[in-house]
Amino acid sequence: DTAVSQTPKYLVTQMGNDKSIKCEQNLGHDTMYWYKQDSKKFLKIMFSYNNKELIINETVPNRFSPKSPDKAHLNLHINSLELGDSAVYFCASSRAGAYGYTFGSGTRLTVV
Amino acid sequence: GQQVMQIPQYQHVQEGEDFTTYCNSSTTLSNIQWYKQRPGGHPVFLIQLVKSGEVKKQKRLTFQFGEAKKNSSLHITATQTTDVGTYFCAGPTNTDKLIFGTGTRLQVFP
Repeated sequence: DTAVSQTPKYLVTQMGNDKSIKCEQNLGHDTMYWYKQDSKKFLKIMFSYNNKELIINETVPNRFSPKSPDKAHLNLHINSLELGDSAVYFCASSRAGAYGYTFGSGTRLTVV
Repeated sequence: GQQVMQIPQYQHVQEGEDFTTYCNSSTTLSNIQWYKQRPGGHPVFLIQLVKSGEVKKQKRLTFQFGEAKKNSSLHITATQTTDVGTYFCAGPTNTDKLIFGTGTRLQVFP
């Protein structure tokens, strides 16, 4: 009964490849997010979707494109992967008026 | 842009000792949230504070929100090895974006 699930958990790929990370939440939350955590553990927001609509788009390269087919799903597609994209990517969700974000278990992306 | 800093960056304690992490925002916050991330895990929501000067307790954890709503602290009494992890504070911007603090990594030695 995982609340926010991400796949894959690990992703090792070569520079220049295109990859996708999928996220699904079964909490009925209306807002979903992508966060990037670097090697120093800094957590930085990338995107936020509310009911399938993009509401936050941080200064992220155009190679990153989120897609939300419905309010329970938020996927992240990354084109032309670079070494600097190596990080842990977390999906999270929240409900309006409620406290706290619920995070997925993360996807560790390693670009070689 | 808005920044949320935490000190210390790292803290090593002997089991049974107390621990405190401090969180400072460059702007006034409507609320402050605290999260714990175990090694290899994901951030887990602990608590939210909303009122100026608010203090909340969860067993051995005491959370405080400053009077000016720009700083907060988390104090753990008598640490245990299960307290190991990175503790993050987080606050919303005026566009409701949640900005996370730089984190404090706690190591507890038995």
